Amino acid sequence: EPEVTQTPSHQVTQMGQEVILRCVPISNHLYFYWYRQILGQKVEFLVSFYNNEISEKSEIFDDQFSVERPDGSNFTLKIRSTKLEDSAMYFCASSKTGVEQFFGPGTRLTVL
Amino acid sequence: DQQVKQNSPSLSVQEGRISILNCDYTNSMFDYFLWYKKYPAEGPTFLISISSIKDKNEDGRFTVFLNKSAKHLSLHIVPSQPGDSAVYFCAARGALDYKLSFGAGTTVTVRA
Repeated sequence: EPEVTQTPSHQVTQMGQEVILRCVPISNHLYFYWYRQILGQKVEFLVSFYNNEISEKSEIFDDQFSVERPDGSNFTLKIRSTKLEDSAMYFCASSKTGVEQFFGPGTRLTVL
Repeated sequence: DQQVKQNSPSLSVQEGRISILNCDYTNSMFDYFLWYKKYPAEGPTFLISISSIKDKNEDGRFTVFLNKSAKHLSLHIVPSQPGDSAVYFCAARGALDYKLSFGAGTTVTVRA
């Protein structure tokens, strides 16, 4: 069964450094999303991407964040200058119809 | 974000019996409701969804009931199995922005 994959599974970085989190969505899906879950908190929406552009973003998704679909398969989340509070599990999701969203296993980002 | 609430942080049920998980929401602009299951160190796994125009949807052992007037939904798992032990998240999709808003989750433990 097709699934969403994410790399790396764990990323440790120093505060102020840039990180790129990578995702390979399910191949015939059209909608792509990033969510994150800070330890002990709810899963929260960051951004959605459709037709090669951002369709919706949350107030968390400020200028430090960007997303890109550089080729036909990858979907990336870049954090330009990481902060301590960016430490979280980051989940990529994709959807064929925009209803059922299928999540990847997540990348645990630790900012020191 | 308090738009989706799961007021029971945990549920313990005997194998073979019914598990009932509850979820309340406040936003009338949600058009779909979804249930996800999550094991530790994995991403959420989609279980079942229901449109806001329906009141019941069934898929195998899983049934979701929606009471729109009460802004309440529930997930029934019958019969419960040991592999069902996980955290269950209720999520709601915004009709305009397609983003999912998640509840805090309910940890289900199925006892042998």
